[in-house]
Amino acid sequence: EQLVESGGGLIQPGGSLRLSCVASGFSVSDSYLSWVRQAPGKGLEWVSILYSGGTSYYSDSVKGRFTVSRDSSKNTVYLQLNSLRADDTAVYYCAREGGARAFDLWGRGTLVMVSS
Amino acid sequence: SYKLTQPLSVSVALGQTARITCGGDDIESKNVHWYQQKPGQAPILVIYRDSYRPSGIPERLSASNSGNTATLTISRAQAGDEADYHCQVWDSSTAQGVFGGGTKLTVL
Repeated sequence: EQLVESGGGLIQPGGSLRLSCVASGFSVSDSYLSWVRQAPGKGLEWVSILYSGGTSYYSDSVKGRFTVSRDSSKNTVYLQLNSLRADDTAVYYCAREGGARAFDLWGRGTLVMVSS
Repeated sequence: SYKLTQPLSVSVALGQTARITCGGDDIESKNVHWYQQKPGQAPILVIYRDSYRPSGIPERLSASNSGNTATLTISRAQAGDEADYHCQVWDSSTAQGVFGGGTKLTVL
């Protein structure tokens, strides 16, 4: 079982980016997948969750700007980042919820840098 | 929104016991999970549901949750235990995950 993120990079403030998280060894359609980010030198910050039924939730800091979705045919979860700000700079991890909202499988992360 | 408080750093002598706390309002009513993160690596789940260890996690790591404080205990500390440790809960009232600020464990 594995998660692999991609799509990060350097983006100007106000720009958009789409992150991908490809799962192997299990189905994203049957799982709860979260995005968690970590700003440089800082702690972990939960960002969003996509339930198997399709419902999604977001942290207050990204609500209205970020959108999570999935493509079951590609076994991939996406995080669309819009209206990016400098404080969105972070490594973005994809993580699978393994019960009781504990994250039992993590990807290696993808770095998003928002700077002019 | 729900807040979790961790000490910035904890130091422990080699072979001794380290305790890392995670404070939150009535945290005992929530499931607390703990993650270990080494520099440049993704977090690893080391404790779930207050005190359960995933397979492969040594028995030296244990945890408890009571009142307003959850505690991760690392017995017989080893150099390889040096890492950041993060506590996490789920705030069901907002359907949002919450992490503590993380604690850097140094083994002297």
